[in-house]
Amino acid sequence: EAGVAQSPRYKIIEKRQSVAFWCNPISGHATLYWYQQILGQGPKLLIQFQNNGVVDDSQLPKDRFSAERLKGVDSTLKIQPAKLEDSAVYLCASSPNSVPSSYEQYFGPGTRLTVT
Amino acid sequence: DQQVKQNSPSLSVQEGRISILNCDYTNSMFDYFLWYKKYPAEGPTFLISISSIKDKNEDGRFTVFLNKSAKHLSLHIVPSQPGDSAVYFCAALGGYQKVTFGIGTKLQVIP
Repeated sequence: EAGVAQSPRYKIIEKRQSVAFWCNPISGHATLYWYQQILGQGPKLLIQFQNNGVVDDSQLPKDRFSAERLKGVDSTLKIQPAKLEDSAVYLCASSPNSVPSSYEQYFGPGTRLTVT
Repeated sequence: DQQVKQNSPSLSVQEGRISILNCDYTNSMFDYFLWYKKYPAEGPTFLISISSIKDKNEDGRFTVFLNKSAKHLSLHIVPSQPGDSAVYFCAALGGYQKVTFGIGTKLQVIP
């Protein structure tokens, strides 16, 4: 089966610019996650979708970050405007709906964002 | 507040020997634990997991031990192989599939 796809793989922008990341989860996976991984740290959950509804966005900086998952499949994460501290790898993951296999998340390769 | 702690940033082991990676947690509500492996420029890959009702889970060369009273878990890799060289993340699950990750331990297996 095809894995989680993300694009772009790399992005360099200047501060105050906008950027968008795209994620296509594994077919049939109901839950989709966006993580931010800053260098030297573990992934931090930004937002979690169950189908096209938001389950948890408590750690999403909502003044500049937004995410949507239209039709419960693909998802887009946007940053507007970007700050230097947003430089990180943004990981998308998905998991199936059935317990306990839903505990395992399948990660995409990530998008490395550099804000200058 | 780091709820999942991996206090060893790196570990070097000779090929064929045992690798032991440690993880401590503070939140007693965590009830499921996972280990992920990450190669450079790739996303993390699920390795092995354990429920809080168990104290051991084994899968081939990988074994995870859980000590609930000490809020400690460890991953044992026996025997270690050069292809095991990667960053290993400990993760804990609490609430509706919400996962909290540690900062990772970089394992180097020396041929």
